[in-house]
Amino acid sequence: QKEVEQDPGPLSVPEGAIVSLNCTYSNSAFQYFMWYRQYSRKGPELLMYTYSSGNKEDGRFTAQVDKSSKYISLFIRDSQPSDSATYLCAMSAMGRAGSYQLTFGKGTKLSVIP
Amino acid sequence: DVKVTQSSRYLVKRTGEKVFLECVQDMDHENMFWYRQDPGLGLRLIYFSYDVKMKEKGDIPEGYSVSREKKERFSLILESASTNQTSMYLCASSSGAGYGYTFGSGTRLTVV
Repeated sequence: QKEVEQDPGPLSVPEGAIVSLNCTYSNSAFQYFMWYRQYSRKGPELLMYTYSSGNKEDGRFTAQVDKSSKYISLFIRDSQPSDSATYLCAMSAMGRAGSYQLTFGKGTKLSVIP
Repeated sequence: DVKVTQSSRYLVKRTGEKVFLECVQDMDHENMFWYRQDPGLGLRLIYFSYDVKMKEKGDIPEGYSVSREKKERFSLILESASTNQTSMYLCASSSGAGYGYTFGSGTRLTVV
């Protein structure tokens, strides 16, 4: 079983739709949970991170973590064509030398159609 | 904001050439990473470094080496480029805290 599972899509939605992106994980040692957005031919950029179970909201984006189910989600409200990108989930646990190391999902490609 | 700068956006090299990919970060981060990203395979860790002159193998180090002579600079070296090393290469840095890495814009390397 892979440590982090993410449906690669592709996911295509009409403009204005609510988008739900999800990841599951198996490692209970993960402490931080992140979502990255990656536009075509660019590097990933950190969108949001959470530390504990619960919800975190930032504008149209809501990140949700359920540690008991080992399940995280990213919701995008009122989706826009500019949201079209690949979204990667990531989780971190303490690694060697006292630093956190990230494990990434493979990413879900999202297209928002005008 | 942390900036991670990769020296080239696009590179075309011939099979057998020695290739250097350079990465510089400007926020005094301890940790630096090299990944490659391929369709369907996601991000795969090649090498990482927790300190100057320190290096650790990631998941796919074969065919690669790294150098970290200064804290801000982390170089990836392809000793003898092969066509299966055609990929997007991404450098990242972090302070060691849990909430994520900062990535560069990537280098799209094509080996012909």
